[in-house]
Amino acid sequence: GENVEQHPSTLSVQEGDSAVIKCTYSDSASNYFPWYKQELGKRPQLIIDIRSNVGEKKDQRIAVTLNKTAKHFSLHITETQPEDSAVYFCAAHSGGYQKVTFGIGTKLQVIP
Amino acid sequence: DAGVIQSPRHEVTEMGQEVTLRCKPISGHDYLFWYRQTMMRGLELLIYFNNNVPIDDSGMPEDRFSAKMPNASFSTLKIQPSEPRDSAVYFCASSLVHPEQFFGPGTRLTVL
Repeated sequence: GENVEQHPSTLSVQEGDSAVIKCTYSDSASNYFPWYKQELGKRPQLIIDIRSNVGEKKDQRIAVTLNKTAKHFSLHITETQPEDSAVYFCAAHSGGYQKVTFGIGTKLQVIP
Repeated sequence: DAGVIQSPRHEVTEMGQEVTLRCKPISGHDYLFWYRQTMMRGLELLIYFNNNVPIDDSGMPEDRFSAKMPNASFSTLKIQPSEPRDSAVYFCASSLVHPEQFFGPGTRLTVL
């Protein structure tokens, strides 16, 4: 089955700096890669996703890049703000199935 | 739409007792997922259904866990007998054909 590795497990940045979270996956058939944000005590919510036919996608301060050859994808947050503090999960989805395999999560702390 | 609804939000029980967690997916969604979240293992997919039929239950930890979906608007996850190591937050999520999953607020289970 699919295996998703995510790092770092924790990340502290100063407000205004950028944050990068990286994930690798094992199943070359995976074709959809969502990122979820989970604030403390809340449910995970989708913040951005990318499909395998796209190399990069951007939404305001958030961007995701995908390298299918190397089987890795990254989340980039620019101009971080305290409200970006949360746990971020990457995931990989194999085409034809709804089953998504999640990474272990990255706890991001933005220091004001 | 009220989103995915889970009950109870918190459950405290004693070892050996039966626990039943409930979920109402978003109306019209035909996929339903049960996850378990712990600090050590992150988000683990336990089982998922498509059109009320269980598709993959390979994540169910052992026979003490069972899940049902008697109709399109209701699912249960049952643990019998419960053990302290079952303590976790259990999330239900639903989705349409598009793989984005919408999570419920979760049930925090504590087994004493």
